[in-house]
Amino acid sequence: QKEVEQDPGPLSVPEGAIVSLNCTYSNSAFQYFMWYRQYSRKGPELLMYTYSSGNKEDGRFTAQVDKSSKYISLFIRDSQPSDSATYLCAFSSGNTGKLIFGQGTTLQVKP
Amino acid sequence: EAEVAQSPRYKITEKSQAVAFWCDPISGHATLYWYRQILGQGPELLVQFQDESVVDDSQLPKDRFSAERLKGVDSTLKIQPAELGDSAMYLCASSPRQGAVGNSPLHFGNGTRLTVT
Repeated sequence: QKEVEQDPGPLSVPEGAIVSLNCTYSNSAFQYFMWYRQYSRKGPELLMYTYSSGNKEDGRFTAQVDKSSKYISLFIRDSQPSDSATYLCAFSSGNTGKLIFGQGTTLQVKP
Repeated sequence: EAEVAQSPRYKITEKSQAVAFWCDPISGHATLYWYRQILGQGPELLVQFQDESVVDDSQLPKDRFSAERLKGVDSTLKIQPAELGDSAMYLCASSPRQGAVGNSPLHFGNGTRLTVT
């Protein structure tokens, strides 16, 4: 069993749609839960992070963590063409730089 | 905004040749990371430096890969000899100190895309 499972997509939605991206994990030691966004031919950039179960909101983005089910989600409201990118979930068992990434979900938002 | 600089952006090499990548982290960042991202997968940590010292190289294939950060600033990752399976994006990242979030998130460069033929 992989430590992290992420549906690779691709996912294609119309502009304005609500997008749901998900990851499951198996390592109970994971304490930090992150979402990175990676545009084509660019490095990943940190979008959101949390270290507790529940929801965290930042503008159009909401990160959700359910530790009991070992499941995290990223919701994007009112999606825009500029949101078209690959979204990577990432985990850390301590606040170190050793991150375990999912394989990424490629999202396309069509105007 | 300060960025992590990497060069070259693209590199094509034949198998069994040597290849090297260079990274210049954000000024003042003590921690430097090299990640490898195979096409269609997430990045995987190869090596982590704290200043000039290696703190984690457990995933680095040491028979062919080497990494150094001699003065605790810029860093070089070398592969010798290159194999077909080494084709990937090599990403460098830096952070002010060891950490992943909060006031010490990782800042990634735009990577070096390596193709081994």
